[in-house]
Amino acid sequence: EPEVTQTPSHQVTQMGQEVILRCVPISNHLYFYWYRQILGQKVEFLVSFYNNEISEKSEIFDDQFSVERPDGSNFTLKIRSTKLEDSAMYFCASSAGQGTFYNEQFFGPGTRLTVL
Amino acid sequence: AQKITQTQPGMFVQEKEAVTLDCTYDTSDPSYGLFWYKQPSSGEMIFLIYQGSYDQQNATEGRYSLNFQKARKSAKLVISASQLGDSAMYFCAMRDRMDSSYKLIFGSGTRLLVRP
Repeated sequence: EPEVTQTPSHQVTQMGQEVILRCVPISNHLYFYWYRQILGQKVEFLVSFYNNEISEKSEIFDDQFSVERPDGSNFTLKIRSTKLEDSAMYFCASSAGQGTFYNEQFFGPGTRLTVL
Repeated sequence: AQKITQTQPGMFVQEKEAVTLDCTYDTSDPSYGLFWYKQPSSGEMIFLIYQGSYDQQNATEGRYSLNFQKARKSAKLVISASQLGDSAMYFCAMRDRMDSSYKLIFGSGTRLLVRP
């Protein structure tokens, strides 16, 4: 069964460093998302991406964040200068379309980012 | 603004018994979808069940069913015959047409513990 994959599963970084979180969405999917979950809290939307551009971003997704789909298979989230409060689980999700509400978003296993 | 409320931070259930997890939502869009996800301690998000706002019948998927009370804006998850493996966090989520990206809005979750 096709699945969304994410690497690395766990990343530890120093405050102020750049990190890139990688995702490989399901191959025929067209819509891509990043969510984050601070430990013990709810899952929050960061950004959505369609047709090689951001379709929506949340207030969390400030200038320190960027997304790319560099090669038609990978979907990356970059944090330019990490802060302690960026420590969270980051989930990538993809869906086939938006034509109906039941376009299930398939979630990856997550990357746990720890900023020291 | 869209909002999902889960008022039960934690619940216990005896193995083999049924349990109901509450979820209320708020949206001004008459067209929306409601989702339940399970998050075990390993962290991944597992899709369980979907209910569309125009669906005439309550959704069912194996041991999971959704008690959908549209007028009350309530979408309760019912798990029948609980198993030890059902111990996890459960998140209710919604998407509607208010946002161009059809992102998911999540509730704060309910931690379910199944007792042997």
